[in-house]
Amino acid sequence: NAGVTQTPKFQVLKTGQSMTLQCAQDMNHEYMSWYRQDPGMGLRLIHYSVGAGITDQGEVPNGYNVSRSTTEDFPLRLLSAAPSQTSVYFCASSYSIRGASTDTQYFGPGTRLTVL
Amino acid sequence: DAKTTQPPSMDCAEGRAANLPCNHSTISGNEYVYWYRQIHSQGPQYIIHGLKNNETNEMASLIITEDRKSSTLILPHATLRDTAVYYCIVRFRTGTASKLTFGTGTRLQVTL
Repeated sequence: NAGVTQTPKFQVLKTGQSMTLQCAQDMNHEYMSWYRQDPGMGLRLIHYSVGAGITDQGEVPNGYNVSRSTTEDFPLRLLSAAPSQTSVYFCASSYSIRGASTDTQYFGPGTRLTVL
Repeated sequence: DAKTTQPPSMDCAEGRAANLPCNHSTISGNEYVYWYRQIHSQGPQYIIHGLKNNETNEMASLIITEDRKSSTLILPHATLRDTAVYYCIVRFRTGTASKLTFGTGTRLQVTL
């Protein structure tokens, strides 16, 4: 199994540009989530999904959109990038029980995004 | 989810046991204690979790006090590859909006 994969690894955007961060997992996990990590801070939840077709907001959802058309993929879209979105983005997945993440979340390697 | 308190940094000599403490004095009866770590520039990695009893796996041991207000993660024989930030997280095992709330963790430096 490849686990959780994320592309691209690095990205530089100009303010106002849009892009999609890709996340895929091959473990048939129902629960997937996106976090951002800023220097010196812990991870903050952006959006999460408890299954195909179901998404919900986390702590810091503004400026980001998600969709979940398949179990495997959970892309994160930035519609109009802002410098405040410069961060490292991590995707994670896990089994879910009654719509909630279970014990072990598997994280991808991260995407390092810079918005100029 | 209950708040946790960890020391910002610790040092450990290679080959020795690393004992990482965590305070969670407001933990409720059905909240679990989880430990994750993040090696520089990588995604977080699950280590271990527990509710009341002490737990051990191939990576580490988790000791939870009887009143559950604190816990200790033990890496029995630390190596240089264990240098990382270690996060103690307290959360319900299930919930309608389960998520991992990462604090700032403990930066463990393993030295020769």
